[in-house]
Amino acid sequence: EVQLQQSGAELVRPGTSVKLSCKVSGDTITAYYMHFVKQRPGQGLEWIGRIDPEDDSTKYAEKFKNKATLTADTSSNTAYLKLSSLTSEDTATYFCTIFDYWGQGVMVTVSS
Amino acid sequence: DIQMTQSPSLLSASVGDRVTLNCKASQNINKNLNWYQQKLGEAPKLLIYYTNNLQTGIPSRFSGSGSGTDYTLTISSLQPEDVATYYCYQYNSGNTFGAGTKLELK
Repeated sequence: EVQLQQSGAELVRPGTSVKLSCKVSGDTITAYYMHFVKQRPGQGLEWIGRIDPEDDSTKYAEKFKNKATLTADTSSNTAYLKLSSLTSEDTATYFCTIFDYWGQGVMVTVSS
Repeated sequence: DIQMTQSPSLLSASVGDRVTLNCKASQNINKNLNWYQQKLGEAPKLLIYYTNNLQTGIPSRFSGSGSGTDYTLTISSLQPEDVATYYCYQYNSGNTFGAGTKLELK
């Protein structure tokens, strides 16, 4: 069975960046498009973007084009989401998903 | 961008009720729609893919239907463990979630 294991919770300062990881086990990461989804506290799901680890091609939702960067490392079967210029609006739980499987989510708190 | 509108936003129902959740797209999405269930504090879970296909392991009381711009998730007999928020998601053009329907017990 495919499993997605995400990195741990982050407390970060405004204006900085954070890089979150999502490690795939049970299959090769190149078999899937890896998507990332944002969920602010008490709010709904928001699609950030996706990466094809086979060729590193990416697509982003318009509002995340200057906020998120997706990368993948096929040697470690891991995808990454980097969030830059963090503000309180970025405080949220971030999920990686291939849509029939989801990571457990990682909480990012932006606070001084 | 395609907008997805879910209704109602909050639904109260009793155990055993037949429950219908709606999702309307701003344009034709060609049945490219999934339904997810999210319980408090958990990751979403795929229930239905491509409008009407039941994901492995999901109880048969869940079903999906629709075409064009209008889609429905039906729970034939509501169980206490079905209390959750339900999201539709389109992947026909771009990728968009609906705002969710919160289902609670009456």
